[in-house]
Amino acid sequence: EAQVTQNPRYLITVTGKKLTVTCSQNMNHEYMSWYRQDPGLGLRQIYYSMNVEVTDKGDVPEGYKVSRKEKRNFPLILESPSPNQTSLYFCASSFLGASSNQPQHFGDGTRLSIL
Amino acid sequence: SQQGEEDPQALSIQEGENATMNCSYKTSINNLQWYRQNSGRGLVHLILIRSNEREKHSGRLRVTLDTSKKSSSLLITASRAADTASYFCATDAGNTPLVFGKGTRLSVIA
Repeated sequence: EAQVTQNPRYLITVTGKKLTVTCSQNMNHEYMSWYRQDPGLGLRQIYYSMNVEVTDKGDVPEGYKVSRKEKRNFPLILESPSPNQTSLYFCASSFLGASSNQPQHFGDGTRLSIL
Repeated sequence: SQQGEEDPQALSIQEGENATMNCSYKTSINNLQWYRQNSGRGLVHLILIRSNEREKHSGRLRVTLDTSKKSSSLLITASRAADTASYFCATDAGNTPLVFGKGTRLSVIA
């Protein structure tokens, strides 16, 4: 089954404790992206990647890191999480770039709470 | 860099009625996409309309695009309780990431 898989689905942690949210897709998509969704703000893009070893900042990259060492995986890293990073996070992927008239496929989300 | 803005923010209708949601955007686009999000779940792609298209259908969904007004509408006909969700438009301006609006929350009452 074609899918984007995020782990964990839920995480409660404390300020400053490094964490990684994994994202994996099995559709051989070149493009992958991370979003955060907050009430009243909609979806905001954190980082995106057009292909292996190619990553770019989105609208709200501060406090986050990503890597794209393999085509299928695009982990989101919070080196020193803070409470303002409490949010619902989504990973998405698509063929080629977002400008290629291709829809994005989303994971089910990771609800992250930082105390 | 918020591009699409949906209207209304929330909509409540009876089962069987039609639901119309609108999206306005600011710059030229390659395509506009509509997504649905059930509560707490990921977004699901519904329909994509290219900038040279004016109308597109998919089942009970009808999307229109007016590039002169920089607006799009999503019509759901004969709505069902299962259509209750948030609906987002997303614009693709070419060589830039997809930009999502804040969404319309649709409630269909049985």
